[in-house]
Amino acid sequence: NAGVTQTPKFQVLKTGQSMTLQCAQDMNHNSMYWYRQDPGMGLRLIYYSASEGTTDKGEVPNGYNVSRLNKREFSLRLESAAPSQTSVYFCASRELASQYFGPGTRLLVL
Amino acid sequence: AQSVTQPDIHITVSEGASLELRCNYSYGATPYLFWYVQSPGQGLQLLLKYFSGDTLVQGIKGFEAEFKRSQSSFNLRKPSVHWSDAAEYFCAARSNDYKLSFGAGTTVTVRA
Repeated sequence: NAGVTQTPKFQVLKTGQSMTLQCAQDMNHNSMYWYRQDPGMGLRLIYYSASEGTTDKGEVPNGYNVSRLNKREFSLRLESAAPSQTSVYFCASRELASQYFGPGTRLLVL
Repeated sequence: AQSVTQPDIHITVSEGASLELRCNYSYGATPYLFWYVQSPGQGLQLLLKYFSGDTLVQGIKGFEAEFKRSQSSFNLRKPSVHWSDAAEYFCAARSNDYKLSFGAGTTVTVRA
């Protein structure tokens, strides 16, 4: 039981490049979330998926897209990366009221 | 607007001393409240949570938190800290739509 896994762990992009951050959970949770963490700002919700086949915007969705591929997987895509998207990205899944987090992806956009 | 505030950005505490981290929330109704810990380079681990009932909740790693409705607070405490408690701690609140709002975090440094 691996919980929530994220790939890659670290990525460097040039401005304008695209990439997809992968997230998978093996806990059979319906809801999944993507957050970004920036110094002094805590975690901010980018997008979430209440169940397979549904996605909704969170607090900071601009510049991102998501796909809920199936119940296990929830990916985050940056179509044209910008330096402002340099951050640590966390995926989470939810059981009842508690969310469980992956180890994070550190993204640097030059 | 719903918000979570952690007034202390950084706290330094001696090993063996007690620790208290402050958290205040601003919600229309009592939200579900959580404390998470993040060790350097790691993800967030759930320490404890409060939904209703007993206002003093026990968590993992010897932590506890007390919910005070009159003060809109949910402070985290540990009677005696260990060097391994050095980490960043986040308070979070969940509204009815299951979204979490996080405080900015408090970094705890433990000195020998």
